[in-house]
Amino acid sequence: ELKVEQNPLFLSMQEGKNYTIYCNYSTTSDRLYWYRQDPGKSLESLFVLLSNGAVKQEGRLMASLDTKARLSTLHITAAVHDLSATYFCAVSPALYSGGGADGLTFGKGTHLIIQP
Amino acid sequence: DAGVTQSPTHLIKTRGQQVTLRCSPISGHKSVSWYQQVLGQGPQFIFQYYEKEERGRGNFPDRFSARQFPNYSSELNVNALLLGDSALYLCAAGRPQETQYFGPGTRLLVL
Repeated sequence: ELKVEQNPLFLSMQEGKNYTIYCNYSTTSDRLYWYRQDPGKSLESLFVLLSNGAVKQEGRLMASLDTKARLSTLHITAAVHDLSATYFCAVSPALYSGGGADGLTFGKGTHLIIQP
Repeated sequence: DAGVTQSPTHLIKTRGQQVTLRCSPISGHKSVSWYQQVLGQGPQFIFQYYEKEERGRGNFPDRFSARQFPNYSSELNVNALLLGDSALYLCAAGRPQETQYFGPGTRLLVL
């Protein structure tokens, strides 16, 4: 059974600071996703990481993937209040494992509050 | 280019009733997945359909069923509702092995 663990689950930080959210998963996967969710809203896609060593950046957010360590990170640079949200990582089973479905397994989410 | 749409947005039912939720994917996207998100948790995978066939099923009881239509829209049915079925139900659509785009969700409350 594929398991996804995020940490921390809750993070309060000040504007201008840097921080990293970690996502560990238990079995082989070839796709890792990061989503953002605002209170009462749906999920917004941030990044899709497809290969070992993949790094993607959008604004103050940068995501990376290490498939050997089964670890992805979401790094926040010089945080601003607008980045306050819950961030989820999600993993899809490896194609060759027979998991042909794209059903995603999500972590519990990291609730991020950025104080002015 | 319209995104994923879902209906209704909110629904209130009582225990034992049945509910049908609907999802329309982005034009050109043939894969639709359903997720249940309980307050404070990450979404849990329920079903995936691709080209009208079930491609995957999560760990949910048989009270949950779904289907996909020729136009790739989808319905999720839940029978014999329980209080614990209260959640946000999300539909996601996309091309296989690509980003899954989520709809706005249907918020179900079971009393």
